[in-house]
This record gives sequence, structure tokens and C-alpha cells, in this order.
Amino acid sequence: QVQLVESGGGVVQPGRSLRLSCAASGFTFTNYAIHWVRQAPGKGLEWVAVISYDGSKKHYADSVKGRFTISRDNSKNTLYLQMNSLRTEDTAVYYCAKDISEDFWSGLIDHWGQGTLVTVSS
Amino acid sequence: DIVMTQSPLSLAVSLGERATINCKSSQSVLYSSKNKNYLAWSQQKPGQPPKLLMYWASTRESGVPDRFSGSGSGTDFTLTISSLQAEDVAVYYCHQYYSPPYTFGQGTKLEIK
Repeated sequence: QVQLVESGGGVVQPGRSLRLSCAASGFTFTNYAIHWVRQAPGKGLEWVAVISYDGSKKHYADSVKGRFTISRDNSKNTLYLQMNSLRTEDTAVYYCAKDISEDFWSGLIDHWGQGTLVTVSS
Repeated sequence: DIVMTQSPLSLAVSLGERATINCKSSQSVLYSSKNKNYLAWSQQKPGQPPKLLMYWASTRESGVPDRFSGSGSGTDFTLTISSLQAEDVAVYYCHQYYSPPYTFGQGTKLEIK
């Protein structure tokens, strides 16, 4: 079955960087777009970014544009999120999530990982 | 950006009774040429990631019990649980995938009365 396992979360000071990873299995990773979605403690869901199946297209939320970079290594079935210039408001559980469509993306998410917690605090 | 507004934000319903959650989008999410509403519902239980329940506003994801149903078109949508079960206690989110940035409603917390 589809498995998405995030890692790389932790406590980081404001202004510093962190890289998240998401290891995928149980489906043909190279065929699907993948999203990052975050959830601040006790809050709702916020879509962060998406990358196409081949990495050629990306789209970001305005709140992270210019600071975060989504990428993927299809030879390793792994998704990444490089987060720079972190702010306290970036504190959240970060989920990687699979798009339902075998295309660039549809925006519809059908599987989620368990998430990794990023805490930005001095 | 398309803003998704859910109501109510919390809801308490007796076991076996009907639960209704509403979702309104700030602009239509109906793609006219395909006659499809780009609207999904997800369920999140405590300590778990979200789980897809419905998409195209009214199509149930595989394995979702038929007590869950979705309706609506354009800007106004409803998720209905026909007979509430204990395992349905969760937060429910509507989500538009019509255009990026993809946006979610605030969530509706459903509890047992």
C-alpha cells in the first residue's frame, strides 16, 4: 500500500534552515505529483507546495515563496523540502501527500504521510 | 486565492443522528467544460493525518462508508453523515483543488452529544 514517511523535523532557531525528506513506497513514485501541506499546532491545514511527477513544474504558497524549495529525486523515491529563513510562524507538522492524478498535478490529495514536526523557536 | 468557509466550526450530534457540515467557496469551483466541482472532503482524527473521504463534491473514496455523502455545486457544498457512529468523531475539512494555491476550510470539529 502507499506509504509516505517524512523525516528531518526538529527545533531550529529563526532565520536558520532545515531540510525535510519524504520517502515514498507502495506506488510508482515517478508517475505522481507530490505536495507538502502543513498544520500549525491546534490549527487547520495549509497547502505549501507541489512538484510535478518529473520535477519540471513547481508551485508554492505565497507564504513560503522565495524561502522554501521543493524538489525530488526519482532514483531514490524521495521528496524534499528545503526551508530557509525560517520564521516562528513556520512552526507546524509538515505532511507530504500524494496527488491522485498521473499528470502534472490535479491538486487532489489521496494519501498523506504521518508528518514531521518543525518547531522554529529561539 | 479561493477562500473556503466552513460552518459550523463545531458540532455535537447524538449517536445514530444526522450530522451536516457546510462549506462555501469565495468563487465557483465548478469547471464548466467538465461539469465537475473541484471540491473534496477529508477527515482527520486526533493524532492522525487527514484521510480523503469525498472528491468531485459527491464521489466517495474507496472504502468510505455509504453513510457519508456529499452534495452541492458552484460555491455551496455539504457533507452529510446520515447516522453518526462513534468512530466518526473527527475534524472535517473541505478543500478546493480548482486552482492553486489549493485551500482548505477552517475545519469542523464533530463530537458526540
